[in-house]
Amino acid sequence: QVQLQESGPGLVKPSETLSLTCNVSGGSISGYYWAWVRQTPGKELDWIGHIYYRGYTNYNPSLESRVTISVDTSKNQFSLKLTSVTAADTAVYYCARQLNSASCVFDSWGQGALVTVSS
Amino acid sequence: AIRMTQSPSSFSASTGDRVTISCRANQSVGSYLGWYQQRPGKAPRLLIYAASTLQDGVPSRFSGSGSGTDFTLTISCLQSEDFATYFCQQYYDYPRTFGPGTKIEIK
Repeated sequence: QVQLQESGPGLVKPSETLSLTCNVSGGSISGYYWAWVRQTPGKELDWIGHIYYRGYTNYNPSLESRVTISVDTSKNQFSLKLTSVTAADTAVYYCARQLNSASCVFDSWGQGALVTVSS
Repeated sequence: AIRMTQSPSSFSASTGDRVTISCRANQSVGSYLGWYQQRPGKAPRLLIYAASTLQDGVPSRFSGSGSGTDFTLTISCLQSEDFATYFCQQYYDYPRTFGPGTKIEIK
């Protein structure tokens, strides 16, 4: 059973960069798409983007100018960077595995990392 | 972006009830639709994908139907562990988008 675990700072100052890493255990990162999804304080779920293990990415246009998702297959992990954050980026950030290449739904999730943007 | 809506936003029900939740897209998403359950403080859990395919390990009391713009999640006999919030998600187009959620509360 694959397990995902987010890690990174829980507090980020406005205008700075949010950085999170998702460690994948119990299975290989190879062969799958991996995604970041965030949940706002109002409980809305927002798809941030995904990366194929080979490095191909696709981002939400609403965030594309500020977001980078990368993968490190040697460490079995992938990462999120979101620049120039504001209070609107305060959310619980989840990393997730896409079910398969044809079905972009998420069958495994991390426990979530609360990131607060505040000075 | 494709906009997803759900109805109702919340409702009360009793254990043993048959309940249905609706999800609507503002344009056709074919059958590229998934459903999730989220309990408080937990990550979403995939229940159904391709509109009607039950994810491995999900009880058969959950079922999904629909195509195009209108979809339904049905729980045939509500159990105590089913009181939660349910989200739909389309994956017909980028960006992937979710519905706002439907919360089932205990009556």
